[in-house]
Amino acid sequence: DVKVTQSSRYLVKRTGEKVFLECVQDMDHENMFWYRQDPGLGLRLIYFSYDVKMKEKGDIPEGYSVSREKKERFSLILESASTNQTSMYLCASSTRRGYTFGSGTRLTVV
Amino acid sequence: GENVEQHPSTLSVQEGDSAVIKCTYSDSASNYFPWYKQELGKRPQLIIDIRSNVGEKKDQRIAVTLNKTAKHFSLHITETQPEDSAVYFCAVWISNFGNEKLTFGTGTRLTIIP
Repeated sequence: DVKVTQSSRYLVKRTGEKVFLECVQDMDHENMFWYRQDPGLGLRLIYFSYDVKMKEKGDIPEGYSVSREKKERFSLILESASTNQTSMYLCASSTRRGYTFGSGTRLTVV
Repeated sequence: GENVEQHPSTLSVQEGDSAVIKCTYSDSASNYFPWYKQELGKRPQLIIDIRSNVGEKKDQRIAVTLNKTAKHFSLHITETQPEDSAVYFCAVWISNFGNEKLTFGTGTRLTIIP
């Protein structure tokens, strides 16, 4: 089974902090994605990557950046955290057979 | 970009009855339509999917139908059970020149009433 691991299940950060959310997959998938999940808004794509050092903006990239230095790791960066970035963040990796999601990181910005 | 609408946002059905969730999409190039189930506190899991060359697919109590002309697809759950209570997401996959991604609906919270 593909495993997608997110480093933290819960995080609490202060406004203005730089925040790193890490995601690692163990099946050599080329495609990786970061979504945020909010009630009533579903899963919205922040950024995605099709290969090492490649990144593409999703639907809501503002306030975020990403890094993919190695194929297995895809990091989401909040340069200066704000309260409206309080959310559940889900990482996924994919093949043509579909997505596998990580367990999610619930980030609270205070 | 792709726009996916999902209805209803909440749905309550008596145990044993059927539940239907519908999604519409905008991009006619979409070619793969998965459904994900997310139980409370857990990650979304793929439960069934359908490709654009098929009109219906069944897996035990769940089925998905696709109408490509009308650009809508639906999830059908029959003989519902308490463990079917979850949030369900439809999604639409577009594959363009090797770039592939899913766009999700906004989710349906299904509650099965014992």
